[in-house]
Amino acid sequence: DGGITQSPKYLFRKEGQNVTLSCEQNLNHDAMYWYRQDPGQGLRLIYYSQIVNDFQKGDIAEGYSVSREKKESFPLTVTSAQKNPTAFYLCASSIDAGRGSYEQYFGPGTRLTVT
Amino acid sequence: GQQVMQIPQYQHVQEGEDFTTYCNSSTTLSNIQWYKQRPGGHPVFLIQLVKSGEVKKQKRLTFQFGEAKKNSSLHITATQTTDVGTYFCAAPSSTGNQFYFGTGTSLTVIP
Repeated sequence: DGGITQSPKYLFRKEGQNVTLSCEQNLNHDAMYWYRQDPGQGLRLIYYSQIVNDFQKGDIAEGYSVSREKKESFPLTVTSAQKNPTAFYLCASSIDAGRGSYEQYFGPGTRLTVT
Repeated sequence: GQQVMQIPQYQHVQEGEDFTTYCNSSTTLSNIQWYKQRPGGHPVFLIQLVKSGEVKKQKRLTFQFGEAKKNSSLHITATQTTDVGTYFCAAPSSTGNQFYFGTGTSLTVIP
């Protein structure tokens, strides 16, 4: 059963703590993406990766970090430097990046609440 | 970064009425994609438009790409309660490495 998995579905953290969100895909896709979704603001790109061991900042990368050590995995760390981390985080993948011609497959998302 | 403007932000319709959402870009787009996100769910790809003036249909959904490739629309005929959700357009950056999503149109269908 192919797809993208994100865990956990809900995550609660205290302010000042770093937290890592998991994203795994078994679609053999090269490109992976992290988006943040806030009410009324659509999806905003945090980081993306076109290939293993390489990643690029999106529009709102400050306070976040990523790694891409394996093709299947693209974890996102929300650091304590992120001023407003409470949001719905979506991971996505596509066959390829660089031509913008491929649909993105999204995981179920992680809803992070920081208090 | 590049912006894709989407209107309206919200739309409430009676079941059976039609619905349209619009996306506009200040720059010419190589293609545009449409996604649907059900309440509590994640975005799901609906369609991609590539050619100038292209029109594609999926049952009651009609997608159009403008002649200048700067705007697009999604029209739903005779809405049903299953159409409830937020509809997003997404356009690639000039390098094609990333997509910019519109702010979405949240559709509520009143039975």
